Formats: sequence, structure tokens, C-alpha cells
Amino acid sequence: GAGVSQTPSNKVTEKGKYVELRCDPISGHTALYWYRQSLGQGPEFLIYFQGTGAADDSGLPNDRFFAVRPEGSVSTLKIQRTERGDSAVYLCASSLKAGQNYNEQFFGPGTRLTVL
Amino acid sequence: KNQVEQSPQSLIILEGKNCTLQCNYTVSPFSNLRWYKQDTGRGPVSLTIMTFSENTKSNGRYTATLDADTKQSSLHITASQLSDSASYICVVSDPAGTALIFGKGTTLSVSS
Repeated sequence: GAGVSQTPSNKVTEKGKYVELRCDPISGHTALYWYRQSLGQGPEFLIYFQGTGAADDSGLPNDRFFAVRPEGSVSTLKIQRTERGDSAVYLCASSLKAGQNYNEQFFGPGTRLTVL
Repeated sequence: KNQVEQSPQSLIILEGKNCTLQCNYTVSPFSNLRWYKQDTGRGPVSLTIMTFSENTKSNGRYTATLDADTKQSSLHITASQLSDSASYICVVSDPAGTALIFGKGTTLSVSS
């Protein structure tokens, strides 16, 4: 497809389990971003990649969260020992290049994570 | 404290009417200010992007204004349609132009 895709669309897991969320950016976009959106809130920045490297991971809440983008395209957000407070919609976005004034970010539909 | 505040929190209008949504921000300096539309269960879609030197930008029936001195922005929607029902989010980009700082959004409901 032409847009950003995310899988799965919904994920239900139990407290303490490990989950992986996948993002396929728009082809040719070098920058990829992860955001978390809790109910009734705007998205909050987690991490962004420029190519394969994490250029800014200051938004990751703690060391249970980490993300990879080994080949500079698909990215996986990994959450260890999930907690109920991790329940949210995780949004991925991509842009042609980071650090430019008009770097339009295109968002995927999100993955809704529910931790029971 | 949220660096981007929006009002009202929610709004109900009749189809065909106009409305204006407000955004106040404290992020300084900033690279640009954006308005996004987010339909339920979907990711945000960009409506307008303005740098600090621009004070108005239109996209069809959507017109955004920016006053960088008072750190205020507004989004005006004319001749509203049922499909305009969504959350409208004001977003300020950090000085590096990478991370986006989102407001909580205004939920707009357009009824017939």
C-alpha cells in the first residue's frame, strides 16, 4: 500500500507479557517516528529513527520499551513485562527526512494495545 | 503542564455552520505549528503547516491562523459537513523539526 501500515491493529495481552508492534513506513521515507496516545489525550512522542539509528529516544518512558529499525525500513516497538498502564494506541509515522521545517509526517492507523 | 492547550474540549454544531477552534502554546522556540484531523480509530492527517513567519494558511474549507507574538493559533472551518466530525489536534514541532508536541484535541461533532 501507499501509506504507513501497522500490525497488529489490536493486541490484547496479559500483565507481564512481552509484545512487539510493527510499523511499515512509506517507501523511501528515511525518518520513522513512534508515538503513544492514551484515551482522551494527544499522541506523545516516544522515539524517532533517521535511517537505522535511533536519533532521539528521549520519549521512551522506561527501559521496558525499546525499538529497532535494522534495515532502515520496517520498525518494531518492543515492550517487555507489560503493565496495565501501557494500554494505549501506539502510532507510527514516517517522513521523507527528519530535521526539516516542513517534514510532513504521515501517520499509520495505530495499534491498540490492551494489557489485562 | 501540557505545552499545547486547546479549547473548547468538545463542540457540537449543525451541518453548514462555521466554527473556530483555539490553540495556545508555550513551546518556544518552535519550528512550525500544524493542525491535524483525527477520525475515530485512525491516525492523524495533516491539514495545515505554518512556520512562525506565516500568519494564515488555507486548505479548502479549513483556514488556520497563527499569532507568534501571543502564541495563539486558530482553525476555522467553514460550511461544516458531517464528515468534519473528528478530533482536531494542534501540534507544535520542536526547534529541530523532528518531535511533535500534541495538544489534547477538540472533538467536533457535526449533526444534521
